[in-house]
Amino acid sequence: EPEVTQTPSHQVTQMGQEVILRCVPISNHLYFYWYRQILGQKVEFLVSFYNNEISEKSEIFDDQFSVERPDGSNFTLKIRSTKLEDSAMYFCASRDRGQNSPLHFGNGTRLTVT
Amino acid sequence: GNSVTQMEGPVTLSEEAFLTINCTYTATGYPSLFWYVQYPGEGLQLLLKATKADDKGSNKGFEATYRKETTSFHLEKGSVQVSDSAVYFCALTGRGATNKLIFGTGTLLAVQP
Repeated sequence: EPEVTQTPSHQVTQMGQEVILRCVPISNHLYFYWYRQILGQKVEFLVSFYNNEISEKSEIFDDQFSVERPDGSNFTLKIRSTKLEDSAMYFCASRDRGQNSPLHFGNGTRLTVT
Repeated sequence: GNSVTQMEGPVTLSEEAFLTINCTYTATGYPSLFWYVQYPGEGLQLLLKATKADDKGSNKGFEATYRKETTSFHLEKGSVQVSDSAVYFCALTGRGATNKLIFGTGTLLAVQP
């Protein structure tokens, strides 16, 4: 069964550094998402992406965050200047067209900001 | 706005016990409802879904029925196994263009042999 893959599985960075989290969605999917989960807390929506542009973003997704689909397969989340509170598990997801098609998630990237 | 409320965990059960994890929602219109499961160290996996009132989603012995009158989508399993130990998330999507998922807080289930 096709999968969403995310790399790296764990990223450690120093405060103020830029990080790029990478995702390869399922190949025929059209909608892409990033979520995060701070340890022990709920899974929070960050951003959705469709037709090469952001379709919706949450309050968390401020100017420090950006997303890009640089080619036909990758979907990236960039954090320009990381803060301690950005430490979390970041999940990428994708889904097919269709009102009721479910989101398929990757295994996540654990980001640790020191 | 749309939201999901789940029962607090952790839930600790013995093997073969009956499981119920409560989930209620607030939404405008007619959302689709989902249960996702997160096994230790892994990502989120779709467990089951229901897209309209009175639909029953089922998978791996788990069931949940979309109850519009009580705005609920409780997860049940008749006989849990140790391998069911995980965090369970109730979620909904609205009918907007992005269909983003809104999650509950998650319920940790620990099944003891």
